Amino acid sequence: DGGITQSPKYLFRKEGQNVTLSCEQNLNHDAMYWYRQDPGQGLRLIYYSQIVNDFQKGDIAEGYSVSREKKESFPLTVTSAQKNPTAFYLCASSIVNNEQFFGPGTRLTVL
Amino acid sequence: KQEVTQIPAALSVPEGENLVLNCSFTDSAIYNLQWFRQDPGKGLTSLLLIQSSQREQTSGRLNASLDKSSGRSTLYIAASQPGDSATYLCAVMNYGGATNKLIFGTGTLLAVQP
Repeated sequence: DGGITQSPKYLFRKEGQNVTLSCEQNLNHDAMYWYRQDPGQGLRLIYYSQIVNDFQKGDIAEGYSVSREKKESFPLTVTSAQKNPTAFYLCASSIVNNEQFFGPGTRLTVL
Repeated sequence: KQEVTQIPAALSVPEGENLVLNCSFTDSAIYNLQWFRQDPGKGLTSLLLIQSSQREQTSGRLNASLDKSSGRSTLYIAASQPGDSATYLCAVMNYGGATNKLIFGTGTLLAVQP
């Protein structure tokens, strides 16, 4: 099956902890993205990558970090510097400048 | 700065009705516009992608139109069914600047009553 997978589905973080969200795609897409979704707000772009070993900050990158060592993978780390990390995190991928496809999401909760 | 607005925020209709969801954007210099569906607690499902050179796209009971000059898109759902109940999001990709960046509206929550 072709698609985008995210893990875990639910994640709990303690104060001061870094956590990493996984995103994998087997669609052979060059571009990958991370979005954050909060109740009552539209999706906001955290980071995106158009090619391996390159990525750019989105609108709300502070407190987050990413890597793109493989075409298929684009993990997101939520660092302790992110003061309000509780949200629904969505990963997407696409051919450059084309239709974006989304994964099932990870819900992160701060304890 | 591009802003995307979706009206209404929520809509309830009886099964079988045809309905229209609206999306407006402030900057007409868009590369494409995409409509998504989101079920509660789930990811986004892409419904239709309209390129800037196109006027409309159709998929089954769905038809999306695009009028760049007026900054508007509509999603038409024919013969609505309870299974269509979900949040519908539109998003635009601008020319220039950060490529591939989608700017989202806040969505329309649709409830189709059996």
